[in-house]
Order: sequence, then structure tokens, then C-alpha cells
Amino acid sequence: DTGVSQDPRHKITKRGQNVTFRCDPISEHNRLYWYRQTLGQGPEFLTYFQNEAQLEKSRLLSDRFSAERPKGSFSTLEIQRTEQGDSAMYLCASSPRVAGAWEQYFGPGTRLTVT
Amino acid sequence: GQQVMQIPQYQHVQEGEDFTTYCNSSTTLSNIQWYKQRPGGHPVFLIQLVKSGEVKKQKRLTFQFGEAKKNSSLHITATQTTDVGTYFCAGRGGTSYDKVIFGPGTSLSVIP
Repeated sequence: DTGVSQDPRHKITKRGQNVTFRCDPISEHNRLYWYRQTLGQGPEFLTYFQNEAQLEKSRLLSDRFSAERPKGSFSTLEIQRTEQGDSAMYLCASSPRVAGAWEQYFGPGTRLTVT
Repeated sequence: GQQVMQIPQYQHVQEGEDFTTYCNSSTTLSNIQWYKQRPGGHPVFLIQLVKSGEVKKQKRLTFQFGEAKKNSSLHITATQTTDVGTYFCAGRGGTSYDKVIFGPGTSLSVIP
């Protein structure tokens, strides 16, 4: 399978714990996005990478959230001191480096439940 | 900041009826994309529109980009049960060149 993969698929954690999610984009895709989606809502933009550079981060994102893409391939999203309001589906998407091609290919997501 | 709105929020149709969802942006877009998300699934890319007034068709689906590049529509002719899902528009442009803002989606139910 050469699609976008995310790990883990499900994560249950207690409030106050730190969690880290991993995203492996489609190979050769240089753009990578993280989104958060809650029930009945559209994906909410969190952050965007072009290669290893984090070019944009949502102002909605508190400093408890951090993302990295150290070698321009896989990416990690860490949430520190989780809160119940962080419970959501975290989606990763990648986009090809072809000029003008901005379509995004989504992974299956990581469902986070904070108890 | 840039906002993307969609109407209706929900639509229930009888199989065979037509369906349309409308998308409006608060700012001019460089392009707009449409995605479909099946229940329990992840968004799947359908199409991208770039030019003012552009119309694209995919079988029973017709996508349109407004002349001012601030609105778009998706029309499905003769819906089938396989069309069930939530349809999102996603706009790129406004104050951020690369960020894509998703609308809240229109959830389509098809009654067989």
C-alpha cells in the first residue's frame, strides 16, 4: 500500500499525559498537512510542512502542540499535557510536488480519546 | 481570517433525485477542491478547480467555480446509494498562500 499511513490508529490517554502521532506520507510528496476533525465538522488546519520546513501553524494551536518533519519524509505530532478537549480525529495529508497540483491525500487518521 | 461556508448542512434525498451543495468563501480563492468522506472514513479528493467560471464533470457529478472565485457548487444528478457521505469544499488562497481551509461539509443521505 503506497498511501498515507498513520500510527497509531487509536489512542486512549489520561488527561495530562503526552501523546505522539506519526504520519508517513506518500513517497515523493513534499507537502504534508496535519488536521484535526471532530464529529460533524470539517478538517481543521493545524500545520503545514514543505519538505522539512514548517511553513505555517494555526493560531488556534496552543503551545502544547508541536510537529516535526526532520528529514522531509515522515512527520510527528506531539500533544503535551492532553486535555479532554483534545479528543478528536487527527488527520495527516500529503500533496505532490507538481506545480499547480494541490490535491491532498489523507491517511486513515489517529483517533485520540482523552479520559 | 478566511472562512469557508457550506449549505445545506444536511440533505436527505430519494434515490434518483438530484443533489446540490454550495460553498462560499469570505475571500477570493486561488483554487478550490472538493472531497468526499464516507461514514467512518477519511476525506478523499474528488476534484480541483482553478479558473474563474470553470466547470468540470465527473460522470454524474458537476463542479462549478464562480466567476469571482469566491463560491463553488457540486451537483449530483440522479443520486445513488453509493453517493452517501459528507462532501467538503476546501479553499486555498486568501491571506495564506498554502493553507487550505475546509468548509463544514454537507452530509448527504440517500433513501433507496
